[in-house]
Amino acid sequence: DAGVIQSPRHEVTEMGQEVTLRCKPISGHDYLFWYRQTMMRGLELLIYFNNNVPIDDSGMPEDRFSAKMPNASFSTLKIQPSEPRDSAVYFCASSKPDGQYNEQFFGPGTRLTVL
Amino acid sequence: EDQVTQSPEALRLQEGESSSLNCSYTVSGLRGLFWYRQDPGKGPEFLFTLYSAGEEKEKERLKATLTKKESFLHITAPKPEDSATYLCAPWGAGNNRKLIWGLGTSLAVNP
Repeated sequence: DAGVIQSPRHEVTEMGQEVTLRCKPISGHDYLFWYRQTMMRGLELLIYFNNNVPIDDSGMPEDRFSAKMPNASFSTLKIQPSEPRDSAVYFCASSKPDGQYNEQFFGPGTRLTVL
Repeated sequence: EDQVTQSPEALRLQEGESSSLNCSYTVSGLRGLFWYRQDPGKGPEFLFTLYSAGEEKEKERLKATLTKKESFLHITAPKPEDSATYLCAPWGAGNNRKLIWGLGTSLAVNP
């Protein structure tokens, strides 16, 4: 089985540019999570979806960040305009639709550098 | 407020030298506690879920245990390939599907 797929793996952009990160969850998983990881703050949950519907976006830093999930097999996280403080590794994770089960499976991440 | 603290921040062991990593948590209505391993440049990899105090789970040289306030990850006779960052994440009843992530313990095992 393919795991969670993320693209691109690395992104270098200049301040003010739009950045779009992409994620394909594991087939059959109906929860999708977007995380940001930095040395100082560790893993931070940005937003998560259930059945393509955003459930909790309280971790989205500000209006420059937006996320969509148009179907069960694709999600995007967009930053517009990007700033140097957005530099981090962004992970997507997915989990199964089981109430007692919350094991999240992570993709390889996108390392974002904003100059 | 839900909180989690992992200690030590970093640990260096000689191959074969057993030790334990600690995860202290304050979570209302614990539904589960997760341990993950993260290698440099990769996403966290799931290791264990513990659901109730007294529960233990093992995988190769790793054993995870859980009390009402802490979880331990015991590493017996570690090998260099066990070098990684180990993350714990409790799951509270009031958090829906949201996990509370620790900052991790960076483990280095020297040959």
